[in-house]
Amino acid sequence: DQQVKQNSPSLSVQEGRISILNCDYTNSMFDYFLWYKKYPAEGPTFLISISSIKDKNEDGRFTVFLNKSAKHLSLHIVPSQPGDSAVYFCAASITDSWGKLQFGAGTQVVVTP
Amino acid sequence: DVKVTQSSRYLVKRTGEKVFLECVQDMDHENMFWYRQDPGLGLRLIYFSYDVKMKEKGDIPEGYSVSREKKERFSLILESASTNQTSMYLCASSPRILLYQPQHFGDGTRLSIL
Repeated sequence: DQQVKQNSPSLSVQEGRISILNCDYTNSMFDYFLWYKKYPAEGPTFLISISSIKDKNEDGRFTVFLNKSAKHLSLHIVPSQPGDSAVYFCAASITDSWGKLQFGAGTQVVVTP
Repeated sequence: DVKVTQSSRYLVKRTGEKVFLECVQDMDHENMFWYRQDPGLGLRLIYFSYDVKMKEKGDIPEGYSVSREKKERFSLILESASTNQTSMYLCASSPRILLYQPQHFGDGTRLSIL
């Protein structure tokens, strides 16, 4: 039973436009959320995170929004660039759980010129 | 920069073989993890270790075991490989400190069981 769900397996967006990736979770104990980016034949790399005490975190072109009441988070990429084409994984963790992560299934983003 | 190195990028084994996947990290991290990645399922945790000789089951430990004899090295063992263990295997590490720190991943081992 997946506790973290990414319901969109793929997303196609034009270069320069906004990419919005969504993630839902079911376990209300999760208090830390992360986004990872993965290129083919490489391991996932950490992108951005957010603690449950916040509702927004920005890092350059990447912003993560957290809606705790809806158990929903989203990643916004503005503007999208061709190098952003990758699989994006949402992950969640509970403090004091040895840093274990629960991952979503991933969303394949394709940025077209 | 943290480096997590997995010994093989591609591996082909036969059903019933005992398979060893090795992972080494160079940042003195306490925590190490083994995941498998399958299409439509994301990454699922097999086992993790928070210290030398310590191990804990993850969400899908059946058919696997692990070994952590040294802090920098974490091995995943398939006791008797089966075709449903064909997958991408990813190792990760993270420090054990009060504030949460992201896991750092290796580049993965694509394992095929024939």
